[in-house]
Amino acid sequence: GAGVSQSPSNKVTEKGKDVELRCDPISGHTALYWYRQRLGQGLEFLIYFQGNSAPDKSGLPSDRFSAERTGESVSTLTIQRTQQEDSAVYLCASSLRFTGFYEQYFGPGTRLTVT
Amino acid sequence: DAKTTQPPSMDCAEGRAANLPCNHSTISGNEYVYWYRQIHSQGPQYIIHGLKNNETNEMASLIITEDRKSSTLILPHATLRDTAVYYCIVRVDYGGATNKLIFGTGTLLAVQP
Repeated sequence: GAGVSQSPSNKVTEKGKDVELRCDPISGHTALYWYRQRLGQGLEFLIYFQGNSAPDKSGLPSDRFSAERTGESVSTLTIQRTQQEDSAVYLCASSLRFTGFYEQYFGPGTRLTVT
Repeated sequence: DAKTTQPPSMDCAEGRAANLPCNHSTISGNEYVYWYRQIHSQGPQYIIHGLKNNETNEMASLIITEDRKSSTLILPHATLRDTAVYYCIVRVDYGGATNKLIFGTGTLLAVQP
């Protein structure tokens, strides 16, 4: 079946502009995660949606970052007033459930470059 | 979640076993060891996980020491396609808001022809 998809694959934006990144999880997956990966570094957790419960936003680096998810479908990560330090690959993952162990399936990421 | 320590890079000859070590000396009794890998320009991919017993699947084997302070991921016959960054992660596995994965910088495994 289809895996996790993300769009756009690449985004170049000017400093100060807002950007929206989209994630389409695997159908039926109740948990959805956003991570950020700066060049040469490991993944940094941002936010996680768990079914109909309140999301875990503990990893969002500032109030310029926000994310939404409607039900168990698409999620969007929004970065307002982008800064150069926001340049990174933004990865989305989904898993079948959020309790116990369920493998996280990752999308290919969106490479964001802020000029 | 406990911190892990991995060597930054390793080389392995194609066709030989690749043994990737991970130290997790502060691991607690209810924390699992997970391994993911990330091939260049792709998202991470789950490999295997375990609590205290050794585990094997179609991709790899996981050997956890008796005191659980370290583990080794074994790729029995490495191929060029196994060249990737390998992440060792420890995480409590219970219901709740802790399914996020905390990634370190991992080990870059370079499989040489």
